[in-house]
Amino acid sequence: SQQGEEDPQALSIQEGENATMNCSYKTSINNLQWYRQNSGRGLVHLILIRSNEREKHSGRLRVTLDTSKKSSSLLITASRAADTASYFCATNFGNEKLTFGTGTRLTIIP
Amino acid sequence: DVKVTQSSRYLVKRTGEKVFLECVQDMDHENMFWYRQDPGLGLRLIYFSYDVKMKEKGDIPEGYSVSREKKERFSLILESASTNQTSMYLCASQTPRTGSSYEQYFGPGTRLTVT
Repeated sequence: SQQGEEDPQALSIQEGENATMNCSYKTSINNLQWYRQNSGRGLVHLILIRSNEREKHSGRLRVTLDTSKKSSSLLITASRAADTASYFCATNFGNEKLTFGTGTRLTIIP
Repeated sequence: DVKVTQSSRYLVKRTGEKVFLECVQDMDHENMFWYRQDPGLGLRLIYFSYDVKMKEKGDIPEGYSVSREKKERFSLILESASTNQTSMYLCASQTPRTGSSYEQYFGPGTRLTVT
């Protein structure tokens, strides 16, 4: 069963703008991870935030986690054409498995 | 860098054929996974292996089997391919060592079409 649900399903923005996508989940987690998938390719791990963290940064990525609302957001600042991809959140419960959401398709318009 | 490779990027098979999808990782990871990805459904776990010859069913194991004879190689088998198994298949590996965050490393995927 799917745990994470991303919102919006699709997002188009102009190059240089910021992109925000959200993920909601249903039960307590150990950590939440974000992955990127370029068209027709495998997923690449972007960033991880643990349940006791509220915010994390990595380059142009900023992730927040609100465990009381069971939600996370991924912000990509100063977007580039190369950021065009699908983005997935994945929840981890402290064991080996990840449960992936359905993804947000991000299109950056040059 | 972790490298996960899959034997084919694209595969076309006929209904009823036996299909083998191969995955190899080079980082000595204990855990390996097979997912299928379909539009609107995200990634769904088919099977998981946590050691050689060890396996565990995922959310949608019906119609599939797996084999892990060596640590670096995890194979997905479609015993008798059907059209509803047309999908993108993704393999991933992971290390469960103490303190691991359980992030997964993915191969490029195999797009399988069953006609």
